[in-house]
Amino acid sequence: GENVEQHPSTLSVQEGDSAVIKCTYSDSASNYFPWYKQELGKRPQLIIDIRSNVGEKKDQRIAVTLNKTAKHFSLHITETQPEDSAVYFCAASIVGGSQGNLIFGKGTKLSVKP
Amino acid sequence: DSGVTQTPKHLITATGQRVTLRCSPRSGDLSVYWYQQSLDQGLQFLIQYYNGEERAKGNILERFSAQQFPDLHSELNLSSLELGDSALYFCASSVDPFSYNSPLHFGNGTRLTVT
Repeated sequence: GENVEQHPSTLSVQEGDSAVIKCTYSDSASNYFPWYKQELGKRPQLIIDIRSNVGEKKDQRIAVTLNKTAKHFSLHITETQPEDSAVYFCAASIVGGSQGNLIFGKGTKLSVKP
Repeated sequence: DSGVTQTPKHLITATGQRVTLRCSPRSGDLSVYWYQQSLDQGLQFLIQYYNGEERAKGNILERFSAQQFPDLHSELNLSSLELGDSALYFCASSVDPFSYNSPLHFGNGTRLTVT
C-alpha cells in the first residue's frame, strides 16, 4: 500500500521568512496530493491540493510543487506569519481507483516566531 | 464548521471496556472515513465506507469495527480497550472519493481517554 514520508517533523522560522515542507510517496499510481493544516486542538483543514497532471499550483502565499518522476511533492509558504503556526500534513491518494482514501504523512509542526 | 458531526467530543473509559463513536457526514456526502490521531503517529487511516459498503481498510485492529448505516451516518466500535487506544478519532466525509473535486472534510474529533 501507499506510504507517505514527511520532513522535517518540526520547523521553526522567523516571521517573514519562507518555509518548505517535503513529502515523498511510494505508490506511483497516486495522483492526488492534498495538504492539510491542523491548528492546536482543531480538525485538519484542506489548504491546497495538486493533481498529478500539474507540476505546480499557487494560492496567495502558499504553493505546492510535484515531481512525479521522483515521487515527491513540497509545500512552500512565503512571507510566513504567526498565524501560519500549526501542524501541516501532506497526503496522497488514487483518485479514480476503487477506494479514494487518503494516506497521510506524520506531520510537520511549523512555528513562526514574531 | 465543516458540516461533519462527531459525538461525543470527549470519552473517558476504563481498560477492557467498549465504546461507540458516532459520525454524521456532511449533507450529500456518501463516503465516510475514520482516522486515528495519536501523538507520535499522525493521522492513521482506519477504514472507509462508501454508500453503506466498506471500501478500504487501513491499520484497523481486530478489536475495532465500523459500519455505515442507510442514513449514511457511521459508527466506530472500539472494544477490549487498552491504554494505547487513547487518541483523537476523526471522522471525515466526501461526496465522491473517486473524483478530484471531492476533498475530505473532517469533523472535530472524539478524544478518547482510556484509564
